[in-house]
Amino acid sequence: GAVVSQHPSWVICKSGTSVKIECRSLDFQATTMFWYRQFPKQSLMLMATSNEGSKATYEQGVEKDKFLINHASLTLSTLTVTSAHPEDSSFYICSARWGGPLTQYFGPGTRLTVL
Amino acid sequence: QKEVEQNSGPLSVPEGAIASLNCTYSDRGSQSFFWYRQYSGKSPELIMFIYSNGDKEDGRFTAQLNKASQYVSLLIRDSQPSDSATYLCAVTGGGGADGLTFGKGTHLIIQP
Repeated sequence: GAVVSQHPSWVICKSGTSVKIECRSLDFQATTMFWYRQFPKQSLMLMATSNEGSKATYEQGVEKDKFLINHASLTLSTLTVTSAHPEDSSFYICSARWGGPLTQYFGPGTRLTVL
Repeated sequence: QKEVEQNSGPLSVPEGAIASLNCTYSDRGSQSFFWYRQYSGKSPELIMFIYSNGDKEDGRFTAQLNKASQYVSLLIRDSQPSDSATYLCAVTGGGGADGLTFGKGTHLIIQP
């Protein structure tokens, strides 16, 4: 099956620093990648959709200057949380889609803790 | 704005019984419907998807869709303790260009 990886799996950083999370599709080319965020005991919330070579589309309420998304190739998308604060602590999950439009493959997630 | 509603539970079911999970959605334009299972601290894994009204069966799982009532359900037959998890209902619009809109999930506990 299709495999999506994320790196790092967990990260702890100080308030005010920036953190980059990578999402890779290992065995397929992903035309579209999605970034989700999940707070404890809450559901996954779509943050943004990115297509290779174009600007990401952000959901309402998500600050595009704070959450920078770069989808530079068909196998890699990155999410940078700039000037992270404790309220950004969350579980960030990416997913990648290829070919058939109705199935997304999820990465294992990245646990971000901001002190 | 799209909304997906689920009873958060916990839903407790004896081992071997049928677990019934329900979901309603607000956007009548939704065209594809998914059930994911999520274990604590892990990302969701796809169990089933359904597009058409009616039932779709896959092993011990049956998804049911009623677009007129904007209702999706998941039945798990012969429930096993390993089925204990949070089950997320998700919907997407036409063409799959959109990301998924998830419900908050139902916490299912299978009692041995």
